[in-house]
Amino acid sequence: NAGVTQTPKFQVLKTGQSMTLQCAQDMNHEYMSWYRQDPGMGLRLIHYSVGAGITDQGEVPNGYNVSRSTTEDFPLRLLSAAPSQTSVYFCASSLSGRGNEQFFGPGTRLTVL
Amino acid sequence: SQQGEEDPQALSIQEGENATMNCSYKTSINNLQWYRQNSGRGLVHLILIRSNEREKHSGRLRVTLDTSKKSSSLLITASRAADTASYFCATDGLTGGTSYGKLTFGQGTILTVHP
Repeated sequence: NAGVTQTPKFQVLKTGQSMTLQCAQDMNHEYMSWYRQDPGMGLRLIHYSVGAGITDQGEVPNGYNVSRSTTEDFPLRLLSAAPSQTSVYFCASSLSGRGNEQFFGPGTRLTVL
Repeated sequence: SQQGEEDPQALSIQEGENATMNCSYKTSINNLQWYRQNSGRGLVHLILIRSNEREKHSGRLRVTLDTSKKSSSLLITASRAADTASYFCATDGLTGGTSYGKLTFGQGTILTVHP
């Protein structure tokens, strides 16, 4: 199993550009989520999904969109990048989300100029 | 908002010593989890303790949970240089009596173990 994979590893955007961060898992996990990690802030939940076709907002959803058309994939879209979105983004998955450990991807380091 | 507050923010010890990290939280939880993050890498799950458990062991790790004080501690015994990493507590909170795995992370403790 590859576990949770994320692409790209690094990305530089200009303000106003849009892009999609990819996340995939091959463990047949129902629950997937996106976090951002900023220095001194820990991880903050952006969006999550409890299964294909079901998504919901986390703590910091503004400026981001998600969709979950398959169990395996959970892409995160930045609609119009802003410097405040410079961060490291982590995707995670777990079996059901209810009291289960989460498996994290290696992260995408995004810089918005 | 940060549910978990960790203490200390940084900890520096010698190999062979024990390392203790503390985590406090604010609301009722379903479980509390500890994760490790090596520099520039993703998080790795260490241990999960449920709200009805008081103590849990895994190898050199010992986690305690005091729900009355809303606090948890992670003890790493006989530390090694390879334990150098950031350690995060994460609470899986209750929302209307259910839990959907919406983890809320603390800011982390940076542990440095000197050989």
